[in-house]
Amino acid sequence: NAGVTQTPKFQVLKTGQSMTLQCAQDMNHEYMSWYRQDPGMGLRLIHYSVGAGITDQGEVPNGYNVSRSTTEDFPLRLLSAAPSQTSVYFCASRPNPDSHNEQFFGPGTRLTVL
Amino acid sequence: AQSVSQHNHHVILSEAASLELGCNYSYGGTVNLFWYVQYPGQHLQLLLKYFSGDPLVKGIKGFEAEFIKSKFSFNLRKPSVQWSDTAEYFCAVTRSGTYKYIFGTGTRLKVLA
Repeated sequence: NAGVTQTPKFQVLKTGQSMTLQCAQDMNHEYMSWYRQDPGMGLRLIHYSVGAGITDQGEVPNGYNVSRSTTEDFPLRLLSAAPSQTSVYFCASRPNPDSHNEQFFGPGTRLTVL
Repeated sequence: AQSVSQHNHHVILSEAASLELGCNYSYGGTVNLFWYVQYPGQHLQLLLKYFSGDPLVKGIKGFEAEFIKSKFSFNLRKPSVQWSDTAEYFCAVTRSGTYKYIFGTGTRLKVLA
């Protein structure tokens, strides 16, 4: 199993550009989520999904959209990038939404918005 | 506001020193507790977790943590650190019946050879 994969690993955008960060998992996990990691702030939840066709907002959803058309994929869209979105983005999955489950993380995408 | 606090932001130790990283949370009710580690350039991976039973939990690589309900704490310990333990450590909490992990701000550990 590849686990949780993310592409790209690095990306530089100009303010106002749009892009999609890709996330896929091959473990048939129901629950998937996106976090951003910023120095001194830990990981903050952007959006999450408890199954195909179901998504919801986390702590910091503004400026981001998600969709979950399949169990495997959970892309994160930046519609109009802003410098405040410069961060490292992690996708994670777990078998089901049960709160005691371990989360499995992807390798991250380092995004810089100029 | 409900939160997870890691008071030590940066810790520097020499090899063979003992380690204790603090984690406190402010949620009431039943919680599940986790410690994740992020080695330089790598993704987060689970060190250990507690959701029921013995409050002293043993994880990988010689780490352990103790859940003290009365103190709302889940401190991470290791008797003797190695250079390879240099990493960032994150405490996380979920409340039973909810979906969301809440992470602490992380502790950067540097172990000097």
